[in-house]
Amino acid sequence: NAGVTQTPKFQVLKTGQSMTLQCAQDMNHEYMSWYRQDPGMGLRLIHYSVGAGITDQGEVPNGYNVSRSTTEDFPLRLLSAAPSQTSVYFCASTTGVTEAFFGQGTRLTVV
Amino acid sequence: GNSVTQMEGPVTLSEEAFLTINCTYTATGYPSLFWYVQYPGEGLQLLLKATKADDKGSNKGFEATYRKETTSFHLEKGSVQVSDSAVYFCALRTGTLFNNAGNMLTFGGGTRLMVKP
Repeated sequence: NAGVTQTPKFQVLKTGQSMTLQCAQDMNHEYMSWYRQDPGMGLRLIHYSVGAGITDQGEVPNGYNVSRSTTEDFPLRLLSAAPSQTSVYFCASTTGVTEAFFGQGTRLTVV
Repeated sequence: GNSVTQMEGPVTLSEEAFLTINCTYTATGYPSLFWYVQYPGEGLQLLLKATKADDKGSNKGFEATYRKETTSFHLEKGSVQVSDSAVYFCALRTGTLFNNAGNMLTFGGGTRLMVKP
């Protein structure tokens, strides 16, 4: 069982570069979300989706874009990376009733 | 809005010691409560959950009771092992079918547990 798969696991970007963090799930979950994890702050919600074609902002959406063209995929885009976006990023999926399942995380460093 | 507060770490214990990690919350509505665990280099895994007041969640020797009167969900284990060393997150969800944003999780800051042999 693959569950939630995130790629890449590690990434170093220069300030101003763009990139896409990939997230895919094979559990047919309607709800998908992106969190960032920073020391002492737990996980904070960036964007979420309640189904294909539907996305909304979470607590810390600035600097990030998302789209949801299929049930399986929920990519997170950084259009112009900034050092403040250095963090560990987690993708999660859920039916909305059951527990959330998390990917392994992407450790992003912006220099 | 929703918020979760948990004790700051790190918490350092000797093997077989008793563990308590405090967690309190504020929420609108009637939240479900969760403890997630993150082992080094890995993602988060659900450890246990409780969906209504007075429910007790348990798993792998860990327990937590949903206390509505004190808005708490403290994590306990009677005898920790070295393999329990990890970061523990308390979280809540207030979602209903008509409140999509609430179906997302609100996390506490995490507590790092270090167990020494």
